[in-house]
Amino acid sequence: EAAVTQSPRNKVTVTGGNVTLSCRQTNSHNYMYWYRQDTGHGLRLIHYSYGAGNLQIGDVPDGYKATRTTQEDFFLLLELASPSQTSLYFCASSDAGTGCAETLYFGSGTRLTVL
Amino acid sequence: AQKVTQTQTSISVMEKTTVTMDCVYETRDSSYFLFWYKQTASGEIVFLIRQDSYKKENATEGHYSLNFQKPKSSIGLIITATQIEDSAVYFCAMREITGNTGKLIFGLGTTLQVQP
Repeated sequence: EAAVTQSPRNKVTVTGGNVTLSCRQTNSHNYMYWYRQDTGHGLRLIHYSYGAGNLQIGDVPDGYKATRTTQEDFFLLLELASPSQTSLYFCASSDAGTGCAETLYFGSGTRLTVL
Repeated sequence: AQKVTQTQTSISVMEKTTVTMDCVYETRDSSYFLFWYKQTASGEIVFLIRQDSYKKENATEGHYSLNFQKPKSSIGLIITATQIEDSAVYFCAMREITGNTGKLIFGLGTTLQVQP
């Protein structure tokens, strides 16, 4: 079973604060994703990556940076957090492109509150 | 551009009955993957079932099955013999194959309540 671990589980910061959300997957999947989930908007793709050093822009990238430092680790950075970024953030990984292992495996989520 | 639409916001059914959740999608790609995921009350999101666009047979997995109607760009999820623990939010998702971007787009979700 693929494992995706997010940290922290909960985070509270203030407007203008600097936040880093971490994600690690242990199945050597090539793709990793960051989604945010908000009531009425479902799961929206922020950024994703198909390997170390690669970054692809998702559908709601404004205000977010991301970095894939290794095959296992994908970070989401909010350098000037705003209340509109209060959300539940999910990281996921998959072997997209292989044709055999397209399934996304999700982490448990990080709840971020920006005051 | 990709788009996934789930028109049913919520559904309530009695235990042990069959329920169908609708999903329509938009894509210019001739090949794509379609998925259904379930989000439990704890927030956990788990994969349920997948349909490859080039396969004519509807996918099945336990008491989950799909009604794939490619001409209508429709992929319905059918749950038979529903159980209380099937109560959750169900998401439809799509990934286009051409270009191999790996980008996976979700619908807004349908909340299923299974009543005893």
